[in-house]
Amino acid sequence: QQQVKQSPQSLIVQKGGIPIINCAYENTAFDYFPWYQQFPGKGPALLIAIRPDVSEKKEGRFTISFNKSAKQFSLHIMDSQPGDSATYFCAARGNFGNEKLTFGTGTRLTIIP
Amino acid sequence: NAGVTQTPKFQVLKTGQSMTLQCAQDMNHNSMYWYRQDPGMGLRLIYYSASEGTTDKGEVPNGYNVSRLNKREFSLRLESAAPSQTSVYFCASSDVQGPSMVYGYTFGSGTRLTVV
Repeated sequence: QQQVKQSPQSLIVQKGGIPIINCAYENTAFDYFPWYQQFPGKGPALLIAIRPDVSEKKEGRFTISFNKSAKQFSLHIMDSQPGDSATYFCAARGNFGNEKLTFGTGTRLTIIP
Repeated sequence: NAGVTQTPKFQVLKTGQSMTLQCAQDMNHNSMYWYRQDPGMGLRLIYYSASEGTTDKGEVPNGYNVSRLNKREFSLRLESAAPSQTSVYFCASSDVQGPSMVYGYTFGSGTRLTVV
């Protein structure tokens, strides 16, 4: 089954801390792993993405770490700010001839001042 | 601004009523999708359309129908609404690109539907 398991369900971190959100997958046919950020009342927006041929990708304060052998990937937010408070979704796309994404269940992140 | 436009933003239906959620994108994307978002369940795919004229079922298609009217528009219809269909519905579109290119979905702002 094409599942992506995400944890934790919610996370509270103090400003300046480094929240870490983890995802795991089973299907080795997945070849693209994006993260989406969603603010209340808005649709999800692409934040950062990685392919399995690299172990890490950084964009600004956001970093994806990817462990192909363990079939796990995680999002790290450096120097977190209250404005980073949002729901984060990991996702995976398989090389099945279509562009469908399978999403994790989401993590509600709260950064407290 | 370019993007995905969904209408309506809010809707309350009585059980058994029907309605159509509209979605249009102006990015010339080939693929379009309908997802529902429920607490603790993440985003679940209802239907998708890889190109104009084609539609396929996703993870939770029961109770829904779709129409890919043209390349821009992809509508979702509830023929006989049920309380279990109370949810936030998102339309999205994407480019079809090769594996060496980064791509992503562009989501609309959602339709919050309540069925009473």
